[in-house]
Amino acid sequence: DAGVTQSPTHLIKTRGQQVTLRCSPKSGHDTVSWYQQALGQGPQFIFQYYEEEERQRGNFPDRFSGHQFPNYSSELNVNALLLGDSALYLCASSFLVAGLGETQYFGPGTRLLVL
Amino acid sequence: SQQGEEDPQALSIQEGENATMNCSYKTSINNLQWYRQNSGRGLVHLILIRSNEREKHSGRLRVTLDTSKKSSSLLITASRAADTASYFCAPPTNAGKSTFGDGTTLTVKP
Repeated sequence: DAGVTQSPTHLIKTRGQQVTLRCSPKSGHDTVSWYQQALGQGPQFIFQYYEEEERQRGNFPDRFSGHQFPNYSSELNVNALLLGDSALYLCASSFLVAGLGETQYFGPGTRLLVL
Repeated sequence: SQQGEEDPQALSIQEGENATMNCSYKTSINNLQWYRQNSGRGLVHLILIRSNEREKHSGRLRVTLDTSKKSSSLLITASRAADTASYFCAPPTNAGKSTFGDGTTLTVKP
């Protein structure tokens, strides 16, 4: 049973460019969340997708957008890249268990460097 | 949004010693989860403790939860060099808006 997978593992872009990161959830999971983690800090919630719709969103600008496909995989798109977007981007999948909250399983991340 | 705050920020111990790290949160929870992150990698889920549990064990890990104080602790016994990592607590996602603190960075010296 494959866990959460992400691609690519590393990416280098220049300011102003656009980037797409991809995530495949753990088998049986229907919810995908994206996090940004700057060096030395904890993961910061970007947004969450469920049933192909954005369910919740953190404090990130509209340059950050996403999509979830019918097979539950997801993409994170970032437009007009800034130097400050350099970070580890983590995808987490989960399956909502009523009343118990959601245990999230994380992928290995995509390291994005913006020059 | 619900956020866990870990304490201390950094902890350095010798192999074989025990490591204790703490977590505080602000609002009522149904459960709380602890994660480990090795340098530059994804987070690994360690243990989930429910609000009606006071203590839970998993191998060398022991987690306690005090809902009256809105706090939790993670104890790693007989630590090993491989335990060197950052540890995060996460209150439940609460419809997806849970965020993490900056974690406790544990260094276990051989």
